[in-house]
Amino acid sequence: EAGVTQFPSHSVIEKGQTVTLRCDPISGHDNLYWYRRVMGKEIKFLLHFVKESKQDESGMPNNRFLAERTGGTYSTLKVQPAELEDSGVYFCASSQDPGSGAQYFGPGTRLLVL
Amino acid sequence: GESVGLHLPTLSVQEGDNSIINCAYSNSASDYFIWYKQESGKGPQFIIDIRSNMDKRQGQRVTVLLNKTVKHLSLQIAATQPGDSAVYFCAEMGENSGGGADGLTFGKGTHLIIQP
Repeated sequence: EAGVTQFPSHSVIEKGQTVTLRCDPISGHDNLYWYRRVMGKEIKFLLHFVKESKQDESGMPNNRFLAERTGGTYSTLKVQPAELEDSGVYFCASSQDPGSGAQYFGPGTRLLVL
Repeated sequence: GESVGLHLPTLSVQEGDNSIINCAYSNSASDYFIWYKQESGKGPQFIIDIRSNMDKRQGQRVTVLLNKTVKHLSLQIAATQPGDSAVYFCAEMGENSGGGADGLTFGKGTHLIIQP
């Protein structure tokens, strides 16, 4: 069974540019989560999809971040315009049971904003 | 604010010894805790979880202990192997965790180093 995949693995952009991150969850997992870890900080929850619906987006830092999951399969996280403080590692995770702490994480996308 | 934190940033143990990684939490209403392992270049990997109605849970070579009185949990790894080298995170989940109802709230992490 394929795990959670994320693309790209690395991205280097300039401040003010736009970047779109993609996550492909494990097939059949309705729950998809985005997290990020900025330098020196803990991994922070961003939002949670159930199928194509945003169940909880309380962790989204501001309106420069837009997450979508059209069709309830893969998800994208767009940052527009990117700022220096957006640099970090963005993780996606998926699970079958929203009440379980056993989430399957992808390898992350390392974003560097210059 | 409420947080899940770790006592030590780095723990070095001899191969074959047992490892104990500690974690403290601050919200007495927290009721669900999870341990994750993160190897270099990979995403976090679920190890074991425990709910507040239990004080101990065992998995394969791992045991999690929960002390609700002092708001402390620990992960014990038996007979540590080189493949156990990783950063270990305790995490919390639930409406009181600060990570959204279904999001995980992670601690800072402890880097476990296995000495040959």
